[in-house]
Amino acid sequence: EVQLLESGGGLAQPGGSLRLSCAASGFTFSFHAMSWVRQAPGMELEWVSVISSSGLGTYYADSVRGRFTISRDDSKKTVFLHMSSLGAEDTAVYYCVKGEASSGFSGSGDWGQGTRVTVSS
Amino acid sequence: EIMMTQSPPTVSASLGERVTLSCRASQSINSDLAWFQQKPGQAPRLLIYGAFTRATGVPARISGGGSGTEFTLTISSLQSEDSALYHCLQYHNWPFTFGPGTKADIK
Repeated sequence: EVQLLESGGGLAQPGGSLRLSCAASGFTFSFHAMSWVRQAPGMELEWVSVISSSGLGTYYADSVRGRFTISRDDSKKTVFLHMSSLGAEDTAVYYCVKGEASSGFSGSGDWGQGTRVTVSS
Repeated sequence: EIMMTQSPPTVSASLGERVTLSCRASQSINSDLAWFQQKPGQAPRLLIYGAFTRATGVPARISGGGSGTEFTLTISSLQSEDSALYHCLQYHNWPFTFGPGTKADIK
């Protein structure tokens, strides 16, 4: 059974940083692209970032490019999202999503339960 | 960036009634379209991908259709557990983009 367990959410100061982690199990982690998707309160979903299975390809939404960095550690079966220069607009639930080998999207529909990030002074 | 729109914003129907939700892309996305169902406090659940392929465990009363720029999600006989928010997603081009959602209620 695929499991994706996010952690690292919480309260952050405006302008501050936070690192989210997603621990994966139940599949061959190194074969799959991984993504982060977020949902701000009352807002539509936003696909924030994707990292390829090799780790060499990374993609970002315009809203986070230059502030967020996605990375992965295949030995720990974990994907990270390092977030900096946080603003109120980054307040959201962040979901970890399993992709296919060559795409951030997968028909397997494996999503974590989410970790909540609140940016506030 | 490909913009996704959904209509109607809200649909209210009786149990057993047929419901059709629409999703439109600002440019052709072939069949790279998925539908998700989301209930309060839960992660989105994948229903349909490739415009018409049901995800694992999705009941046959839920079906998807369309290609290019116009897509539909149909619930042939609305059940109480179908009360939820429905999102469409295009994964044809990066950035992947979602529609604003359609809320389905039971009358």
